[in-house]
Amino acid sequence: KNEVEQSPQNLTAQEGEFITINCSYSVGISALHWLQQHPGGGIVSLFMLSSGKKKHGRLIATINIQEKHSSLHITASHPRDSAVYICAVGPEETSGSRLTFGEGTQLTVNP
Amino acid sequence: KAGVTQTPRYLIKTRGQQVTLSCSPISGHRSVSWYQQTPGQGLQFLFEYFSETQRNKGNFPGRFSGRQFSNSRSEMNVSTLELGDSALYLCASSFGGLGTFQTYEQYFGPGTRLTVT
Repeated sequence: KNEVEQSPQNLTAQEGEFITINCSYSVGISALHWLQQHPGGGIVSLFMLSSGKKKHGRLIATINIQEKHSSLHITASHPRDSAVYICAVGPEETSGSRLTFGEGTQLTVNP
Repeated sequence: KAGVTQTPRYLIKTRGQQVTLSCSPISGHRSVSWYQQTPGQGLQFLFEYFSETQRNKGNFPGRFSGRQFSNSRSEMNVSTLELGDSALYLCASSFGGLGTFQTYEQYFGPGTRLTVT
């Protein structure tokens, strides 16, 4: 079993829909990251969180440390949100920037 | 601030050769991490350098090595290339710091796409 699991693997939505991507992890963590990867490879860090909830524009990330679960929500989705969304965790016992990644969720938003 | 830069962006090598990839972090960042991304294995952590010292290492063979210079620029080297080394190699920089058991927000470069034939 992977230490970080995401669901769903693939998601197709219509423009304007509310989207949720889930991430579960099995290890103690210092922080959880949500990343966005567009075709061509470039990765952008969307959120880093260790508790509660963060919001940036139409994106919301939540984490429940007790349940070892995080969600990424996209409100009013748009075709430009089409990308791979990756959940990654920094292990609790490690200093520095070592990350363990989920397999990613391919999101396609149709106009 | 300029972002993280990686050179070269694309590279084609032959089995058995060696390759060196370069990463220049965001000014002021002292930590550089390297990752390998393949269709089969996804993203995997290679190693992290902080203040010219390797601070963390992933589960890769010794053919994969790296170093960091005093200006925080980092290089990774892969010797005796194998077909399975074909991948997108990403580096990411962060402030780093000396905090215990902390993870810092990472800023990724565009990657170097390595093809081994």
